[in-house]
Amino acid sequence: DGGITQSPKYLFRKEGQNVTLSCEQNLNHDAMYWYRQDPGQGLRLIYYSQIVNDFQKGDIAEGYSVSREKKESFPLTVTSAQKNPTAFYLCASTPRGDSSYEQYFGPGTRLTVT
Amino acid sequence: SQKIEQNSEALNIQEGKTATLTCNYTNYSPAYLQWYRQDPGRGPVFLLLIRENEKEKRKERLKVTFDTTLKQSLFHITASQPADSATYLCALEANDYKLSFGAGTTVTVRA
Repeated sequence: DGGITQSPKYLFRKEGQNVTLSCEQNLNHDAMYWYRQDPGQGLRLIYYSQIVNDFQKGDIAEGYSVSREKKESFPLTVTSAQKNPTAFYLCASTPRGDSSYEQYFGPGTRLTVT
Repeated sequence: SQKIEQNSEALNIQEGKTATLTCNYTNYSPAYLQWYRQDPGRGPVFLLLIRENEKEKRKERLKVTFDTTLKQSLFHITASQPADSATYLCALEANDYKLSFGAGTTVTVRA
């Protein structure tokens, strides 16, 4: 089955620690995205990548970093500089880096930092 | 500033009735608009895309309208069923590469 996988589903960390969230897709999509979802708010774009070895900041990139070394993988690191890291993180992909395509979402990772 | 507003309150309806959700936007000029369904603790799932030159689009019991003059999209679920209970998100083209999402409207269909 083609799709996007995110792991783990739940993640707990202590404040001050960096944490990396995994996102893998086997859809052969060029573009991948990371969003953050907080209660009562729309999805907010953290980073996106239109092609391997290239990525751009979204609306709320501060305190986050990404890499895109392989087409199928787009890991997100939440650094200790992110002031409010507790949230639901969603990864998505599209065939090309064009917002007219439907976005395919993974199941999400719920990160709790205490 | 750019803003997307969906129904501010949750929608509770009786099975068999039509649910109507609104998505209003300001300071966008989207060429298209998308609707997604999200179940609790899961990622959104794409439902429909409507382009600015399309007034209406249908898919099974779903109907979407797009009025660029009013800057509004309406999303209808006809003959609603308890399985339609979920949060529905609208998303607008923000630029060539980016979608902007509304906060969503939670629909509960009572049997």
